[in-house]
Order: sequence, then C-alpha cells, then structure tokens
Amino acid sequence: KQEVTQIPAALSVPEGENLVLNCSFTDSAIYNLQWFRQDPGKGLTSLLLIQSSQREQTSGRLNASLDKSSGRSTLYIAASQPGDSATYLCAVVVPGNTGKLIFGQGTTLQVKP
Amino acid sequence: EPEVTQTPSHQVTQMGQEVILRCVPISNHLYFYWYRQILGQKVEFLVSFYNNEISEKSEIFDDQFSVERPDGSNFTLKIRSTKLEDSAMYFCASSALGGNTIYFGEGSWLTVV
Repeated sequence: KQEVTQIPAALSVPEGENLVLNCSFTDSAIYNLQWFRQDPGKGLTSLLLIQSSQREQTSGRLNASLDKSSGRSTLYIAASQPGDSATYLCAVVVPGNTGKLIFGQGTTLQVKP
Repeated sequence: EPEVTQTPSHQVTQMGQEVILRCVPISNHLYFYWYRQILGQKVEFLVSFYNNEISEKSEIFDDQFSVERPDGSNFTLKIRSTKLEDSAMYFCASSALGGNTIYFGEGSWLTVV
C-alpha cells in the first residue's frame, strides 16, 4: 500500500533563504507526482507536476525533483518570501489511469520578514 | 484561468440529514474527483469518475455516498444520512486526462452537528 510522508511537519525560515521540502513514498511504481500549496482554510493550488519519466520540473522560484528508485521528491524554493508561507503538500498518482492521488501530511512553512 | 468551482463554501447540517455538495469542473476536463480533509489530517481520496461512471472509490466511499453528473457541467456528491464524523472539508477536482495535472476547487466545509 502506497504511503507518502513529508518531513519536516513545520519549518520556519527568515525571508530570502533558500529551502528544501522533502517528500518520500513507499512504492516506486508511481504514475506521476504533484506538489500543491494550501493556504489556511483554502483549496489546493497545483504548483508542479513531475511525470514518472522526468527528473525535475521548474516554475519560477520553484524546482521539484523526483528520484523514483529511492522513493523521494524534493521541492526547492529559492529566495523565500513571506507570501510563500503556506502548507505544501506532495501527492503521488498511482498506476491504473484513474488519476487517484495519495497525499502526504504536508509541511507548513513560515517565512518571517 | 479556468477553475473548479464549488458550492456551498460552508454548510452546517443536523446529523442524519442529507447533504448535496456541488461542483463545476473545468469545462474540457474528463476526469472528476472528490477528496476530503478532516481538520488536521491528510487529504483523502473518496472517488474518481470518468465516462459517466465511477472508476475508483475508496473504503470511505460507502453506501451513504453517491456521485452524479446530472448535466454537462455539474458534478455532485451526495451524503445520504450524515454522521458527526463526516465533518470535513470536501474538495472537488478535475483533470483533462487521468495522468495530467489535477486541479482542485476551494472546498466545501461541512459541519455535522
């Protein structure tokens, strides 16, 4: 059974710092991996999608990597800003073409001015 | 930018009452989903829907739950007889294809009293 874990559960950094959020999954047979941002009481905003055949994806200050063999993904945020404060979720799509996502519990990031 | 819209944003209901949560997925998408997030817990998959039928459902999605696409634009989740433990944020999501980026709505907070 696929399980997704995110460490740390919470992270506080000063503005301007580069940071890495970690995601691990137990079964390397994934279809793809998606990173989301969730603001308190709000929906999930898709940040990046990495297909299982890809190693990384970039969008602006965000870079996500995927290492299927070790069951890990990282989300790198460059030059963090207070507006980046949110909970970041990773989720894997399992094979089977139903698009079902299995989520980690998230890392809550606070960027202090 | 196209988005998934959900109504109501918040609903309070008495235990045992029926609730219908409504969603308008992104217009050219083919896959539709419901997820839920109990306060402080992981986002959990409930059901995926494709080609007018359920393609996968979780153990949570028991006989009290049902989904329907009554017309070309709406996708609904019905909870027949609500329980206290059904209190959660319910997210609707959609994707163009099963392995593509999945887009989430803002969620519907359901409080069962």
